[in-house]
Amino acid sequence: NAGVTQTPKFRILKIGQSMTLQCTQDMNHNYMYWYRQDPGMGLKLIYYSVGAGITDKGEVPNGYNVSRSTTEDFPLRLELAAPSQTSVYFCASRVAGGGELFFGEGSRLTVL
Amino acid sequence: EDKVVQSPLSLVVHEGDTVTLNCSYEVTNFRSLLWYKQEKKAPTFLFMLTSSGIEKKSGRLSSILDKKELSSILNITATQTGDSAIYLCAVGNTGNQFYFGTGTSLTVIP
Repeated sequence: NAGVTQTPKFRILKIGQSMTLQCTQDMNHNYMYWYRQDPGMGLKLIYYSVGAGITDKGEVPNGYNVSRSTTEDFPLRLELAAPSQTSVYFCASRVAGGGELFFGEGSRLTVL
Repeated sequence: EDKVVQSPLSLVVHEGDTVTLNCSYEVTNFRSLLWYKQEKKAPTFLFMLTSSGIEKKSGRLSSILDKKELSSILNITATQTGDSAIYLCAVGNTGNQFYFGTGTSLTVIP
């Protein structure tokens, strides 16, 4: 059982480049989330989705975009990467109606 | 503005000590409070507390939710070096958003 899978695990970008962080889950969870974690700052919610075709902004959405065309996949798109987007990104999913968040292993992104 | 505050920010104890970690929150339409342990990688789930389940216990770890005081504590008894980690508190609302605190960094010295 793979759970929540994120790719890539590590990436270095130059300022102004774009990229997509992939997230897929095989638990048939309706809810999916993207968080970023900076040192000493806890996790901040970027975007979340309560089902295919539905996405909503979280606390820190600027500079990011998401889509949810299937239940399984929730990619996070960075357009025009900036040094402030250097962070560790976590994708999480959750079953509808309650329960805990299940996290992927994280993607470490560095923008130089 | 919804917020979750954890204290202390960091803690250093000796093996065998008992520790208490605190989490307070101001979140509209509270639904649940979750505790996670984070070592090098992804957070791992410890407990979920709700209005219908305000106390949880698993081995040396236990947690209580105080809805009146809008807070929760996580207790770890007889600490071991393997308990060294960052402990995260998250609060979920009825809109299915989860807000995290900054975490408490626990170091257990042999």
